[in-house]
Amino acid sequence: GQNIDQPTEMTATEGAIVQINCTYQTSGFNGLFWYQQHAGEAPTFLSYNVLDGLEEKGRFSSFLSRSKGYSYLLLKELQMKDSASYLCAVWALEYGNKLVFGAGTILRVKS
Amino acid sequence: DVKVTQSSRYLVKRTGEKVFLECVQDMDHENMFWYRQDPGLGLRLIYFSYDVKMKEKGDIPEGYSVSREKKERFSLILESASTNQTSMYLCASSSPTTTEQYFGPGTRLTVT
Repeated sequence: GQNIDQPTEMTATEGAIVQINCTYQTSGFNGLFWYQQHAGEAPTFLSYNVLDGLEEKGRFSSFLSRSKGYSYLLLKELQMKDSASYLCAVWALEYGNKLVFGAGTILRVKS
Repeated sequence: DVKVTQSSRYLVKRTGEKVFLECVQDMDHENMFWYRQDPGLGLRLIYFSYDVKMKEKGDIPEGYSVSREKKERFSLILESASTNQTSMYLCASSSPTTTEQYFGPGTRLTVT
């Protein structure tokens, strides 16, 4: 199926760490993407995970567990500019060359 | 720098009008996609194309059609615009080997 679930909204404080979770159910999993989307702008690529484990890229890290159908995006040292929507997207054999997106998580960073 | 462009950022049309949304990419990508994005619903796939003159329906194709006459250009057509087609429309492209999608800036369409 195309069940991709993310929390709708999260709020965190500047300088803190926040974890945004994504769960999915699919067959023939090929990989999972995270995108960032600021209000009124296009989504931009953050990370891609195909193997289990943690991928670190500066302040952002992404984790994948294929057996659990679970991923998270970890944002450290939060800045106000990190306020955005974060989209989880799954690539799977059953989808062909398409990605299926979750509804997105709106992250609000407060000072 | 890779680029996906869309013909308009904002568009206002009347009910019943025929609407064309254009998308151009300069990355020589085979795959191109049209999504609409609505609050709480995320990105929903309308149509996609794997090659010139090829098109496939996505999850919500009703009321839309597409055209891909050249590899770099993918057009979305609303044959007779309706108020429930008021939305943000996003175009994306990808190569078949990486699947990472590059998005255009979006067109916010209002149908009155």
